[in-house]
Amino acid sequence: EVQLLESGGGLVQPGGSLRLSCAASGFIFSSYAMSWVRQAPGKGLEWVSALSGSGGSTHYADSVKGRFTISRDNSKNTLYLQMNSPRAEDTAIYYCAKGDQLLRIYYFDYWGQGTLVTVSS
Amino acid sequence: QTVVTQEPSFSVSPGGTVTLTCGLSSGSVSTGYYPSWYQQTPGQAPRTLIYNTNTRSSGVPNRFSGSILGNKAALTITGAQADDESDYYCVLYMGSGISVFGGGTKVTVL
Repeated sequence: EVQLLESGGGLVQPGGSLRLSCAASGFIFSSYAMSWVRQAPGKGLEWVSALSGSGGSTHYADSVKGRFTISRDNSKNTLYLQMNSPRAEDTAIYYCAKGDQLLRIYYFDYWGQGTLVTVSS
Repeated sequence: QTVVTQEPSFSVSPGGTVTLTCGLSSGSVSTGYYPSWYQQTPGQAPRTLIYNTNTRSSGVPNRFSGSILGNKAALTITGAQADDESDYYCVLYMGSGISVFGGGTKVTVL
C-alpha cells in the first residue's frame, strides 16, 4: 500500500525558513517523480514543485522559484521542500504527491494527508 | 501566463448528470495535455479520479468519466449521488515539468 506522510509544518516567521518532509512507502521511491502541491485556506489547489526520480531535474511554480528548493533522499525514501524567505501568501496546507513516471509527472496518483504551514510574525 | 479555467460551481439533482469542463485561457485542451481530475471533500486530501483524459483510477466508480468535449477536457458524473458533493479540480501538463491546476468546481447535489 502506497503511503505518503508529510511532516515539518508549523508556524514560521516571514523571512525565516522551514523544511518539510514526506516519508514514502509501498513503492520503489526512486522510480517515480514526486511533487508538492499546496492549498491556501479556503482556496484551490496549486502546484508548487516537482522533481524526477533521480532528483536531477527540478521544476518550480513562478510563485516560489528562487525561494523554495525541492529535493529527495532516495536512500531514505523521503522527499523534502526547503522553504526560505516565506511570505504570508505561502500559508497553506502542503501536500506531497506521487507522480506516475520517473522523469516527469503527467498526473498525481497518490497523495499524502498534508502538513499545515503558517507564515506569520 | 496560461490559466486553466473551470466553472466555479454546479448543482445537480440526485441521479442526474453533470459535466464539468477544463479549458485554457488561450488555446484548446487536447489529450497532449494529459488532463487529470481530482476530487476533494472539505478537510481531506485530494483523490485521483481520472487520468490521461479518460482513464479511471483504481476504485473509482464508473459513473465518473472523462473526455475531450470541443476544446476542453470534461468530467461527467452520470447518476450523481449525495457523496459526490465535493470540489473537483482538473490538472493539465504544460510540458517542461510544469503542471497547472484549474481553479476548481464546487459540485452540490440537491
